[in-house]
Amino acid sequence: LAKTTQPISMDSYEGQEVNITCSHNNIATNDYITWYQQFPSQGPRFIIQGYKTKVTNEVASLFIPADRKSSTLSLPRVSLSDTAVYYCLVGPSRGAGNMLTFGGGTRLMVKP
Amino acid sequence: EPEVTQTPSHQVTQMGQEVILRCVPISNHLYFYWYRQILGQKVEFLVSFYNNEISEKSEIFDDQFSVERPDGSNFTLKIRSTKLEDSAMYFCASRVAGANTGELFFGEGSRLTVL
Repeated sequence: LAKTTQPISMDSYEGQEVNITCSHNNIATNDYITWYQQFPSQGPRFIIQGYKTKVTNEVASLFIPADRKSSTLSLPRVSLSDTAVYYCLVGPSRGAGNMLTFGGGTRLMVKP
Repeated sequence: EPEVTQTPSHQVTQMGQEVILRCVPISNHLYFYWYRQILGQKVEFLVSFYNNEISEKSEIFDDQFSVERPDGSNFTLKIRSTKLEDSAMYFCASRVAGANTGELFFGEGSRLTVL
């Protein structure tokens, strides 16, 4: 299984851009990179997914270098409501078995 | 927007009792998952289910756990003889077919408290 490494926590201020980087050195050829957001006492919520280069949607961008050994989630102009834990996942692994494993996540604190 | 629903939202039980947590995945999804999250810790994979059988399970998913899809809509997690350390949030998730998508849709969770 591809293991992911993220910073444990980050602080930011409202209106700033936040970049959270995830390392996944042993990512497999078929693995996608997916990011989730989780608020306290709620289920994780899908943010964005990519395979290579750059992906952008209405809430975030995902940058993936050519070697795919890392990825960066970019949140433009964060607000207080973006305070949450952000998880980077790599997979699904093992083909049709589809194990998707969460790492420790990054706790983002947005301050006024 | 379709969503994964879980019941009960909170269950309190005595140690040694059996618990069944229920989930209704999104209707056209084919892959189903259970995760748990102990308070303050990360989300842990328990089991994935596809085509009416378990496809992957973690070390946590031992003989006291079982999953079932008893009809076309429900997906259940049974804990046979609960222990104190089973106290956690249990999340159900589902996704569409296709081997290369990691987009899981999660329910709001069932909080289990074992006394």
